Amino acid sequence: QVQLVQSGAEVKKPGSSLKVACKASGDSFARFGISWVRQAPAQGLEWMGGIIPRFGTTNYALKFRGRATVTADESTSTAYLGLSSLTSDDTAIYYCATTPTHLGSFSPLDSWGQGTLVTVSS
Amino acid sequence: DIQMTQSPSSVSVSVGDRVTITCRASQEISSVLAWYQHKPGRAPHLLIYAASTLHSGVPSRFSGSGSGTDFTLTINNVQPEDSATYYCQQANSFPPTFGPGTKVEIK
Repeated sequence: QVQLVQSGAEVKKPGSSLKVACKASGDSFARFGISWVRQAPAQGLEWMGGIIPRFGTTNYALKFRGRATVTADESTSTAYLGLSSLTSDDTAIYYCATTPTHLGSFSPLDSWGQGTLVTVSS
Repeated sequence: DIQMTQSPSSVSVSVGDRVTITCRASQEISSVLAWYQHKPGRAPHLLIYAASTLHSGVPSRFSGSGSGTDFTLTINNVQPEDSATYYCQQANSFPPTFGPGTKVEIK
């Protein structure tokens, strides 16, 4: 099973942009789809978008299209989530998670990063 | 998007009890449904996928069933470490969507 380690907590100003990293180890990066899921305070889980590194294809929930960018660097086995035009509503814990491609693209999510707390505040 | 609902929203049980959580999809999703356990301060953990397949390493007291629009997660012989919020997630239709969660509290 792949291990995922995310970059550290961040504090951002409204209107700024965010980039969170997710480094994979323990298995071939090309065997997975990678999703980004967030949890706002006192809220449930929300799937944002994902990438299939093997094919370079990305997909986003409608809510995040145009504002979120998911990329992957196979040479370093690292995936990234970019999010622009931040507001206080983007304050959340952001998780990366993987799906073995033989099970699907973005579900089930069988390995998770530890989460990255992002606080958007002026 | 397919909307997922769960019931109950919270439940309080004693050690050794059985808990059943229901998840309903707004449209037919075949058996493309997963269940996750989420404890505060930790990452979510996959329990079940394809509606009824137990993920590797998950205790056998967890089980899932259902297809179409109605699904259940059952925890038999509840243990103290099962205190968590449980989420269903559909992936039959894009985008994948989660239910609102069911909080299980141990008395």
